[in-house]
Amino acid sequence: GAGVSQTPSNKVTEKGKYVELRCDPISGHTALYWYRQSLGQGPEFLIYFQGTGAADDSGLPNDRFFAVRPEGSVSTLKIQRTERGDSAVYLCASSPGAGSYNEQFFGPGTRLTVL
Amino acid sequence: AQSVTQPDIHITVSEGASLELRCNYSYGATPYLFWYVQSPGQGLQLLLKYFSGDTLVQGIKGFEAEFKRSQSSFNLRKPSVHWSDAAEYFCAVGADTDKLIFGTGTRLQVFP
Repeated sequence: GAGVSQTPSNKVTEKGKYVELRCDPISGHTALYWYRQSLGQGPEFLIYFQGTGAADDSGLPNDRFFAVRPEGSVSTLKIQRTERGDSAVYLCASSPGAGSYNEQFFGPGTRLTVL
Repeated sequence: AQSVTQPDIHITVSEGASLELRCNYSYGATPYLFWYVQSPGQGLQLLLKYFSGDTLVQGIKGFEAEFKRSQSSFNLRKPSVHWSDAAEYFCAVGADTDKLIFGTGTRLQVFP
């Protein structure tokens, strides 16, 4: 079956612009996660959805970052007033249910470059 | 707070040689532990996981890992490395609130 997909695969933007990154999870997976991976680092947690609600948004770095999952499936990560430090690969993962014992299936990521 | 340490940033081995990648974690209770592999341009793929029970766990692609509570370690091993194993390897611990906490990764290079 289809895995987690993310669009776009690459996004180049200018400092100060607004960007949206999309994640399509595996069908039927209720849990969805966003991570950010900077160069030379491991993925860092941003936000986790269980269904439509954000169960944990403690990893969002500041109020420029926001994510939604209005119908409990597709999710969009939104970044306002982008800064050069936002450049990274943004990873999305989904899992069948809540609990970190559930395997998280990762998408290929969106590489964001802020000029 | 939970954390994961991967002490080796980069490891180089010859094809056919054995491999051990180190992982140490910090967590108050029995952890959920994972090893993921990331090949260039690919998403993270789960190699194996430990939740409870037998401390030696088998994974895909011939990998295994051993949970040692006394050493707070979860080292990944493979008896004979193939050139296709060249990739970045991440150890992770499942935190209280369902998220994963990753180490900084170990880049494996395999020479023929």
